[in-house]
Amino acid sequence: KAGVTQTPRYLIKTRGQQVTLSCSPISGHRSVSWYQQTPGQGLQFLFEYFSETQRNKGNFPGRFSGRQFSNSRSEMNVSTLELGDSALYLCASSLSGGDYGYTFGSGTRLTVV
Amino acid sequence: QKEVEQNSGPLSVPEGAIASLNCTYSDRGSQSFFWYRQYSGKSPELIMSIYSNGDKEDGRFTAQLNKASQYVSLLIRDSQPSDSATYLCAPMGTASKLTFGTGTRLQVTL
Repeated sequence: KAGVTQTPRYLIKTRGQQVTLSCSPISGHRSVSWYQQTPGQGLQFLFEYFSETQRNKGNFPGRFSGRQFSNSRSEMNVSTLELGDSALYLCASSLSGGDYGYTFGSGTRLTVV
Repeated sequence: QKEVEQNSGPLSVPEGAIASLNCTYSDRGSQSFFWYRQYSGKSPELIMSIYSNGDKEDGRFTAQLNKASQYVSLLIRDSQPSDSATYLCAPMGTASKLTFGTGTRLQVTL
């Protein structure tokens, strides 16, 4: 059974650019959550999607957005990149609402220069 | 007050000893609680879940939950060097939001 797949694994972008990250959940999983991980702040919740609807959103500026497709694949977009957006972005999926825990992908390491 | 509080460590225990990791949380509506292990440079891996007050054992791991005290703990018996990692406490709060503590770094020494 394939796990959660995130692409790309690494990205280097310039300040002001935008970036799109992709996440394919485990087959059958309908809930996808996104997290930002930095050494200083730990894992910060970005948003959660279930059946193409955003159910939860964390305390991030509007430059961070996401969406989920009918096949449960999800993308997150960050516009007007800032140096502080450099982080590991993790996607996690679960069957429904995460009552049995989330399974994480390997993450996308974003570096903004 | 942070939503989830953990001692950042490092917690150093000798091989074969019991490691005790603690976590307190602020959301009284939390019903599900998870422990994740994260090795350096890797993504978090779910190792334990607990939903009701008391203890839950799985191999060398025991999770303990006290909702009245808003306290969760993880015990690792017979600690091995391969247990050296950061352990993240994650209560599932209202509206299916999983909130993580900053983690406790565990070092198991030979």
